[in-house]
Amino acid sequence: NAGVTQTPKFRVLKTGQSMTLLCAQDMNHEYMYWYRQDPGMGLRLIHYSVGEGTTAKGEVPDGYNVSRLKKQNFLLGLESAAPSQTSVYFCATLDSSGNTIYFGEGSWLTVV
Amino acid sequence: GQNIDQPTEMTATEGAIVQINCTYQTSGFNGLFWYQQHAGEAPTFLSYNVLDGLEEKGRFSSFLSRSKGYSYLLLKELQMKDSASYLCAVRDRRGSTLGRLYFGRGTQLTVWP
Repeated sequence: NAGVTQTPKFRVLKTGQSMTLLCAQDMNHEYMYWYRQDPGMGLRLIHYSVGEGTTAKGEVPDGYNVSRLKKQNFLLGLESAAPSQTSVYFCATLDSSGNTIYFGEGSWLTVV
Repeated sequence: GQNIDQPTEMTATEGAIVQINCTYQTSGFNGLFWYQQHAGEAPTFLSYNVLDGLEEKGRFSSFLSRSKGYSYLLLKELQMKDSASYLCAVRDRRGSTLGRLYFGRGTQLTVWP
């Protein structure tokens, strides 16, 4: 049982490049989230999804897009990476009872 | 939206008790979480409160008062390994933002020998 898996774990991008972070879960959870974590800023919600085919904006959605074509996968895209998007990205899911959040191991992204 | 406040830093000595407070403002409260995060790692689950009162789990307890928008995490018999960041998170249930999970900035706890 893998839980929540994020790929890639590390990536260095040049300004203007695009990339996609993949979050995969095998727990059949409806709710999935993408956060970024920067020093002193805590976890900030980028986008989230309450089910297959649905997405919604969080606190800091600008510069990111997401898709939830399959229930088990939640993709976070950067169309044109900027140095301000250098961060640690965490994917999370909420279980069906709504009382436990499961996190992926994180993806370290550096934009130069 | 949400406004979640926690102290930035706290220190305590091994064997002591520490209380980390969290206050929040929300238009549709639907549960409060506490997570522990060591540097370079993902957050790990500590507790969940949705009703008023105290939830105890070993050395860790969490309290919630919905009317005051207030929670605290109590750590007893502190150990060096408890040095970490402690994150408070609130779940929103308001219609248009149903399912949103907001985190505070975290409280960095340092435990001294």
